[in-house]
Amino acid sequence: EAQVTQNPRYLITVTGKKLTVTCSQNMNHEYMSWYRQDPGLGLRQIYYSMNVEVTDKGDVPEGYKVSRKEKRNFPLILESPSPNQTSLYFCASTVGDTQYFGPGTRLTVL
Amino acid sequence: SQKIEQNSEALNIQEGKTATLTCNYTNYSPAYLQWYRQDPGRGPVFLLLIRENEKEKRKERLKVTFDTTLKQSLFHITASQPADSATYLCARDRGSTLGRLYFGRGTQLTVWP
Repeated sequence: EAQVTQNPRYLITVTGKKLTVTCSQNMNHEYMSWYRQDPGLGLRQIYYSMNVEVTDKGDVPEGYKVSRKEKRNFPLILESPSPNQTSLYFCASTVGDTQYFGPGTRLTVL
Repeated sequence: SQKIEQNSEALNIQEGKTATLTCNYTNYSPAYLQWYRQDPGRGPVFLLLIRENEKEKRKERLKVTFDTTLKQSLFHITASQPADSATYLCARDRGSTLGRLYFGRGTQLTVWP
């Protein structure tokens, strides 16, 4: 079954404590993205990757890092989380013009 | 900037009626528009894509239109059911960058029995 998985699904943390949200896809897609979704603001792209070792900033990259060492995985790293990064995060994998989204990670930064 | 707007935050209709959701875009015409369904706390799920040179596309009870004169896409759900209740997102391409989309804020559809 084609899948995008994210872990953890829920996370509560404190300001400044580094965290990583993992994303994995089993469809051998080259293109992957991270989004955050906030009430009233919709989905906004954080970072995207066109292939292994090729990443670029999206619309709201500040405070985030990513890496793409292998095709299936695209982790999102928050080196020093802040309360304004409290949000619902989605990883997506793209083939052609269609995006396949993961189940989401709800992050709360206290 | 290239924007996409879904003017209605919420739409409530009775079961059996046709739901019509609107998506408007500004600036240049997109190469395609997409529609996604999102249930609470879950990731968006792709439904339909319509290209600039297509007027209409159908999939089961769903129909999407693309009007370049009005700069608008309409998304129709015929014979709506309570199970169709969800938030529907419209998205457009960003030009030459493969895979990058602008998303609208979504319209929350509620179908009541």
